[in-house]
Amino acid sequence: GESVGLHLPTLSVQEGDNSIINCAYSNSASDYFIWYKQESGKGPQFIIDIRSNMDKRQGQRVTVLLNKTVKHLSLQIAATQPGDSAVYFCAENDTGGFKTIFGAGTRLFVKA
Amino acid sequence: NAGVTQTPKFQVLKTGQSMTLQCAQDMNHNSMYWYRQDPGMGLRLIYYSASEGTTDKGEVPNGYNVSRLNKREFSLRLESAAPSQTSVYFCASSEGNEQFFGPGTRLTVL
Repeated sequence: GESVGLHLPTLSVQEGDNSIINCAYSNSASDYFIWYKQESGKGPQFIIDIRSNMDKRQGQRVTVLLNKTVKHLSLQIAATQPGDSAVYFCAENDTGGFKTIFGAGTRLFVKA
Repeated sequence: NAGVTQTPKFQVLKTGQSMTLQCAQDMNHNSMYWYRQDPGMGLRLIYYSASEGTTDKGEVPNGYNVSRLNKREFSLRLESAAPSQTSVYFCASSEGNEQFFGPGTRLTVL
């Protein structure tokens, strides 16, 4: 079936450095790609999304890049802070937008 | 605004018991969802309700039933719990692509 997956299960970065979290997807028909952040004991929280007709979108300290040629999605976090420590999930929505498929997640550790 | 609320927070069941997980949202969203999250994995969609009065199966619907009671509430029922249903259950709502998640219910089936 269609799937969304991640290259790295864990990532450890120094506070102040930039973080890059990668994701591979297989459904070329997906319309939207989303990044969620999940802190321990909480539900996922929306970070940023990107439509399939875009290749880059920026938010506050975060940038999402979409490469449809190789079906790759990445989340860049600038000046990573301790509060960024969490599990990050990429996800994709089908055309109707209701069936969201989540990847397995990457745990980000930020060292002070 | 409380956002998305779920009850209970924790539950332990014996195999074969039944229970209903409750979810409510106060954001006037049309769409609501139930997911399960197993250790070290992403969320998998169990059922969703695109709008009040409609429900549809997601990726892993077997062993579950849902009820969209009204626009605010969307419940998930386990008729005969099995150990394989031990998981953390998240409810979410949305109006568009951004989903808002509740705090989760941690369910253990012995």
